[in-house]
Amino acid sequence: AQSVTQLDSQVPVFEEAPVELRCNYSSSVSVYLFWYVQYPNQGLQLLLKYLSGSTLVKGINGFEAEFNKSQTSFHLRKPSVHISDTAEYFCAVSAPASKLTFGTGTRLQVTL
Amino acid sequence: EAGVAQSPRYKIIEKRQSVAFWCNPISGHATLYWYQQILGQGPKLLIQFQNNGVVDDSQLPKDRFSAERLKGVDSTLKIQPAKLEDSAVYLCASSNVRGQLGEQYFGPGTRLTVT
Repeated sequence: AQSVTQLDSQVPVFEEAPVELRCNYSSSVSVYLFWYVQYPNQGLQLLLKYLSGSTLVKGINGFEAEFNKSQTSFHLRKPSVHISDTAEYFCAVSAPASKLTFGTGTRLQVTL
Repeated sequence: EAGVAQSPRYKIIEKRQSVAFWCNPISGHATLYWYQQILGQGPKLLIQFQNNGVVDDSQLPKDRFSAERLKGVDSTLKIQPAKLEDSAVYLCASSNVRGQLGEQYFGPGTRLTVT
């Protein structure tokens, strides 16, 4: 079985500052990794995913994440955040023929 | 294209009552998922359908939860009887690819409060 740990429940950041949201996973087999964003009162939207290939994955809204197999991490980064990036961010993992397992989420709060 | 539709958006019931949620996936999407998202937690898969067949319901509390997807399109999720711990947001998602490689598109969810 796979599991995901998002250590930071909340991350406050000023607008235009860089941000990193941390995600670590555990699995005994090869994994697929995802980041989803959830805006208030909305469903989840896929930001980016890693299936194979290049370890640096670029997603929508200027976000990117890097798969690090040795550290079992998939941290999400953005060089300059905007107020509109305020949302809940979920890291998720799956393996071939297995379900998607989500972390507990990180609340990104962007202020002026 | 229209997204995943869910209704109702909010529901308040007393414990031991029954409740049903409805989901209409994106047209043409064969795979449909129901998730339970308890406050402060990530979504947890309850059941996955491929067309009108169940692929995975290992985490569905079958003594009180049931789901169906007649004709492989719309789906309903029912809870009977509800317990306080069922208070959560119930998310429906659909995908046009079987398995986890395909992107899942999520609806806005139904927020259930059990009092």
